[in-house]
Amino acid sequence: GAGVSQSPRYKVAKRGQDVALRCDPISGHVSLFWYQQALGQGPEFLTYFQNEAQLDKSGLPSDRFFAERPEGSVSTLKIQRTQQEDSAVYLCASSPMGQVAYEQYFGPGTRLTVT
Amino acid sequence: AQSVTQLGSHVSVSEGALVLLRCNYSSSVPPYLFWYVQYPNQGLQLLLKYTSAATLVKGINGFEAEFKKSETSFHLTKPSAHMSDAAEYFCAVSVNRGSTLGRLYFGRGTQLTVWP
Repeated sequence: GAGVSQSPRYKVAKRGQDVALRCDPISGHVSLFWYQQALGQGPEFLTYFQNEAQLDKSGLPSDRFFAERPEGSVSTLKIQRTQQEDSAVYLCASSPMGQVAYEQYFGPGTRLTVT
Repeated sequence: AQSVTQLGSHVSVSEGALVLLRCNYSSSVPPYLFWYVQYPNQGLQLLLKYTSAATLVKGINGFEAEFKKSETSFHLTKPSAHMSDAAEYFCAVSVNRGSTLGRLYFGRGTQLTVWP
């Protein structure tokens, strides 16, 4: 079956540009997570949705980062006025339920390079 | 707060040798523990997870891990390495508390190289 998909897979942005990263979770999955993975590091939590509700955005590094999931399925992570330190792989993961023991299914990620 | 430490950012083994990737965690409440594998340009794939049942957990591709509460460890092992095991491995912890159930805290990863 279809897994989590993300688009674009690669994005190059000039410093100061706005970018939008899309995540299509597995159909029917309630929970959706965004993580940021810097080069040589493990993924770090950004934000969490349960259906359309954003329950936790404590990991967003600045107010330039914004995420939404308006209909409880597709999610978009937007970064305004990109900076070089935003260069990273952005991973999306979905899970069938809001339970800690459930597996998170990860997409392939979007590699963002800010020049 | 939760955290994960993976000892050794790079591990090299010969094909057929034992694989041992180390993971220690810190958690103030009973943890759920996970090992993920990441191949180049791909997302993370779950290898195995500990969710307070059996302390010895078997996963895919012949991997297993043992939860040792006294040592706060969850090391990943495989008796015989295969070339296809070469990848980056991440240990992660989660706890059943708070509004973000399932939030994962990852270690920095261990790159496994397998020599022929």
